[in-house]
Order: sequence, then C-alpha cells, then structure tokens
Amino acid sequence: NAGVTQTPKFQVLKTGQSMTLQCAQDMNHNSMYWYRQDPGMGLRLIYYSASEGTTDKGEVPNGYNVSRLNKREFSLRLESAAPSQTSVYFCASSEGSGGFYGYTFGSGTRLTVV
Amino acid sequence: AQSVTQPDIHITVSEGASLELRCNYSYGATPYLFWYVQSPGQGLQLLLKYFSGDTLVQGIKGFEAEFKRSQSSFNLRKPSVHWSDAAEYFCAVRSSGNTPLVFGKGTRLSVIA
Repeated sequence: NAGVTQTPKFQVLKTGQSMTLQCAQDMNHNSMYWYRQDPGMGLRLIYYSASEGTTDKGEVPNGYNVSRLNKREFSLRLESAAPSQTSVYFCASSEGSGGFYGYTFGSGTRLTVV
Repeated sequence: AQSVTQPDIHITVSEGASLELRCNYSYGATPYLFWYVQSPGQGLQLLLKYFSGDTLVQGIKGFEAEFKRSQSSFNLRKPSVHWSDAAEYFCAVRSSGNTPLVFGKGTRLSVIA
C-alpha cells in the first residue's frame, strides 16, 4: 500500500544507547518531516527536509540528527538516548514544502528510554 | 511566528449530537489551515484543508470547517457524531512559504451513548 512506512513500531532503549528510526515513502514526495508527540504537547517538529539533499532544524532538534538518504528515505538518529526522549515519533511526507500541501503520516514509533 | 490554539483539551458529546471543535491561529497573512484526526495508536489522517476561496470547506467523514478571518478561527463541525468519531483532533497552520506545519496541542473527543 502506498504511504509512509516507519520502522520499528516499538523500541525500548537504555539511557546512553543509540538508535536510528527509519522512514520511507513511496509517493514520490519531495518533503519529509520528523515530529515527536508527547501527552498534552501536540506534535513538535524535530527536523525536516524540504527537498532531497537539504535538512533543517525544527522546534526541538537537540539530541537528534537526521539523514535524507535519498528522495524516499529520511532517518532520525538518537546518538545517546535520554529518558526525556521517551515519546511517539512520527514521520510525514508532503508533495512539496509550500503552503497548500498537507502531510501523509506514518503510523509512528513508540520509543521508551529507561 | 505562526501558532495554533485549541482551547478545549477534552470534549465529551453524546452520539447523534452535533460537534464543534475550536481552533484559533496566529498569523499575519492568510494562512493555510488543516484539520487532522488521530485514532488511538494510529498516525494522523487529513480531514480537510483551507487555503483560499469559499470559507466553508467540506472534508471526509462528514466533517466541515469554517474559516473566519475576523476571528482568526477555523472551527471543525459535524452535524451528528458517531461513536467511531472518538479520537484526537489536531488543527494545524502553515504559511505560504516553505515552512512546516505547526500543530495545536489537540482536542480529545469522547462519544457516549
């Protein structure tokens, strides 16, 4: 099925461990985004990639890095996980970065850091 | 900077009753406005969007929203709520430039029999 695929769906990490969240879309979208969702906080932007080869920081980038591997894939890396990074992470894509375009979301990765 | 306020954290309605979820935005020019729905354990699904033209927009699942520039609002409505509408609803805004969506904190909808 066409859409945004995130892996893994669930993950438990120990403090200080590293991991990469994977995201791939098959809709030939230009722009991709990583958000985190915490109770009562809505969705907050971590990083985004307006087009292949570019990445920009969002509202909460500290502790994260991203790679736009190609047009399809946009990964999020936690170099040294902290309990404050316990959250649900959503990847999204859009056809363009302009105002008219909405997002297609993945189903999320639930990450717990202990 | 753009911002979105959803004043209601949680709303409970009876099945068959009408629904209105409030959204206020802050942005100088005409914004691009969106409503998304998130069912438990799922990602977000686009319900509807507004960027110009008729201020009343229709979306999926029987939802509609009205853009009111004078009130900086984009409220979501449904005439008759079904139990399956229980979910969390997010309003979002972006400018005409290359800026990402900014989301409100969401309104959780509960539906009772």
